[in-house]
Order: sequence, then C-alpha cells, then structure tokens
Amino acid sequence: DAGVIQSPRHEVTEMGQEVTLRCKPISGHDYLFWYRQTMMRGLELLIYFNNNVPIDDSGMPEDRFSAKMPNASFSTLKIQPSEPRDSAVYFCASRPQGGTEAFFGQGTRLTVV
Amino acid sequence: QQQVKQSPQSLIVQKGGIPIINCAYENTAFDYFPWYQQFPGKGPALLIAIRPDVSEKKEGRFTISFNKSAKQFSLHIMDSQPGDSATYFCAASISGAGSYQLTFGKGTKLSVIP
Repeated sequence: DAGVIQSPRHEVTEMGQEVTLRCKPISGHDYLFWYRQTMMRGLELLIYFNNNVPIDDSGMPEDRFSAKMPNASFSTLKIQPSEPRDSAVYFCASRPQGGTEAFFGQGTRLTVV
Repeated sequence: QQQVKQSPQSLIVQKGGIPIINCAYENTAFDYFPWYQQFPGKGPALLIAIRPDVSEKKEGRFTISFNKSAKQFSLHIMDSQPGDSATYFCAASISGAGSYQLTFGKGTKLSVIP
C-alpha cells in the first residue's frame, strides 16, 4: 500500500479564495483524521470520521472550514474563504478499526497571502 | 487548555549523548501514550508507545519511562545518532473511546551533532 496520500503537497492562494485539500486513506482503514500543524499550536485535531461519518468536529476553527468523506477512499477539507491565519501544514491520518497506530500522510503546506 | 505539556521545545546533543524529552498530562482517563517522530517534509510516524500498566518500555535505542502517580512520561534515546535529528511528539489518548483520538504535545526539535 502507498500509505495515506494527500494532495496537493503545496498550495499558495490569495486571501478570500476557496481552498480544497484532498486525502486518500489507507485501504481498509475505518478512521480518518484531519490535523493542522503550526509552530504556535503544534498538531491540532480538526475533525475525524469513522466509516465515512463525521464523529467529532469540535476542533474545526470556524464555519469557514468544512470536511467531507463521500466514500471510504476519499476525504476533503475545504476552507472558504481562506485567510492568512489559515497558513499551516494540514495532515490527514488514517487508522484501522481496533488498531492504535495512526498513519499520517505527508501533509499539505498551505500558504494564504 | 493544553492537555499534554511537552518540554523542552528544542534540544541539541552530541552524537552518543542521551537526549531526554518530557511530557506531562492532566486527564487521568488517558491510557495510551505514543511517541511520534517527524522528519522535515514528512508526516509524523509512530516510534514507540506505552500503556500505564508498565513503568518502562524499550525498543532498540528508544525507551519510554512512565510515572502514573506523577502523570508524567519521558522518551530517552540511547547512543543518539545524527539520523535521529527530527521533531518528536508525545501524545495521549483514551482507548475506551474507541477512536484513540490523539492529543499531542507541541513537539521537541532534536538536533544530534556529529
């Protein structure tokens, strides 16, 4: 398996634009997590899904952020409209049911100018 | 409220030294404590993990020490090598919740000098 795949690896956008980050979890993994990493706040959990259903979105900073998982092999994190303070590295991770290890993708570095 | 506090923020040691990274948690419901290692441009990867029923766990050169009464745990790297230079994150989760939702410390950037 190729691991968790995220795209794009880098994204530069202008303030106010819509940004969509994509994630393909490891096949067979039932849990999918979206994290945001910044120097100030470290790794923060934004939202997680179990069997494609959002379970906890309490970490989503505000209504500008939304996440979907239309099927077991794909998830998106959307920011609309984007702001400079959204600049960060966004990670997707997946985990199998009953497992303890979360497998992370390589991340998307988002820069909002 | 930061539930897992990690220190130091950065650490520089010479090759062969034993860096120690410390973490403290507040929530006594936490019962799974992993450490993740992250290299530049990569996602975090599981390094080693411990449950509170043991006080120490070793895997190769990496050791976790766990003090349940003090709500603290630490990572020791024996005979550190330049290839160990990375950012290390401690984390904690509650297994009973099913999701093993991880709460991370803020990370320690380790540099091992040749």
